[in-house]
Amino acid sequence: SAVISQKPSRDICQRGTSLTIQCQVDSQVTMMFWYRQQPGQSLTLIATANQGSEATYESGFVIDKFPISRPNLTFSTLTVSNMSPEDSSIYLCSVVQGQPAFFGQGTRLTVV
Amino acid sequence: GENVEQHPSTLSVQEGDSAVIKCTYSDSASNYFPWYKQELGKGPQLIIDIRSNVGEKKDQRIAVTLNKTAKHFSLHITETQPEDSAVYFCAALGNNAGNMLTFGGGTRLMVKP
Repeated sequence: SAVISQKPSRDICQRGTSLTIQCQVDSQVTMMFWYRQQPGQSLTLIATANQGSEATYESGFVIDKFPISRPNLTFSTLTVSNMSPEDSSIYLCSVVQGQPAFFGQGTRLTVV
Repeated sequence: GENVEQHPSTLSVQEGDSAVIKCTYSDSASNYFPWYKQELGKGPQLIIDIRSNVGEKKDQRIAVTLNKTAKHFSLHITETQPEDSAVYFCAALGNNAGNMLTFGGGTRLMVKP
């Protein structure tokens, strides 16, 4: 199974600022996914990030708010821009190897 | 697109009892159904999965059953222990090329000692 490291594990940020979350995988993967998990809720897919192409965003999420980079097959970043308290959530990176999807430990973001 | 419903949202059982969590899905073309356990402060961890060509799968105290006709699948945990307390998510892989899972709403399982 893939080992996924996310940084930071948690952060408290001022509204109006931006935070970049890093996701490092211990093996090369084609597809990486970014999810948001609001308090007490399920996982909602933000976007799919493939190396060498623009990320594909799900309905309700836009590139200006959640820019994503995917410079190589083991790394991706998600930026949460111009944050507001409504962005307080857990953000999760995920990869698919075969069919199982594996998740990082998440980044717990609190916007004050 | 795929829609996954999960019940119950909370479940409290006595240690040693069994726990059952049920999910239904909408896309008859879905062919892969994983279950994840999420402990506080951690990301979801895959605990068991089942493919559409199998009706049941067991791994020690956990089992998953799939009824393709009725489009529902269930997680069964026997002899529950306090360390089973967590949030459990079911998911389905629908008919999409992106390997994107659709998740159920989650079940908070509490095992009382």
